[in-house]
Amino acid sequence: DQQVKQNSPSLSVQEGRISILNCDYTNSMFDYFLWYKKYPAEGPTFLISISSIKDKNEDGRFTVFLNKSAKHLSLHIVPSQPGDSAVYFCAASPRGSNYKLTFGKGTLLTVNP
Amino acid sequence: NAGVTQTPKFQVLKTGQSMTLQCAQDMNHEYMSWYRQDPGMGLRLIHYSVGAGITDQGEVPNGYNVSRSTTEDFPLRLLSAAPSQTSVYFCASSYSVGAKYYEQYFGPGTRLTVT
Repeated sequence: DQQVKQNSPSLSVQEGRISILNCDYTNSMFDYFLWYKKYPAEGPTFLISISSIKDKNEDGRFTVFLNKSAKHLSLHIVPSQPGDSAVYFCAASPRGSNYKLTFGKGTLLTVNP
Repeated sequence: NAGVTQTPKFQVLKTGQSMTLQCAQDMNHEYMSWYRQDPGMGLRLIHYSVGAGITDQGEVPNGYNVSRSTTEDFPLRLLSAAPSQTSVYFCASSYSVGAKYYEQYFGPGTRLTVT
């Protein structure tokens, strides 16, 4: 039973446009949500996070939105750049358990010049 | 800071062999975790530790042992390797300040093949 779902295995966008990556979760105990970026043959790199007390968090070109009632979060990248091409993982953990992440399967983002 | 380091980068084992994957962090983080990633899958939690001397099982612990004798090191032991343990293994560390918890930092991974 997948508790964190990323239903789009891949996404392709043009440079300069917006990339929107989506994630759904089922476990009501999840309180902290993160996005990681991963290049081939490297470890995941933290991108941005949001706690359940917020519905939006911004960091430069990256914004994460959380809709708790729908158990849905999304990552917006504006503007998209070719260097953003990577696999993006959504992850979640219960309150006070940032060492017990549950990951989605990832979305491969390709940004075309 | 070197961050989270893992050795070896690559390893090939025969079925039934044992080995230890090493993980170290120099950030004085209290929490450490081991994950595995299989093709087309997200990362899955194997074991985790909330401090020296304290470990617990994650989602997929069978076939693996861990111990944490120091804050810095968190080795993962494969007792008797099986082809199903062919995977990429990631170690991660994180910390908290009061009631605020912070993101996990990941190592570069160990690619293990069991034949």
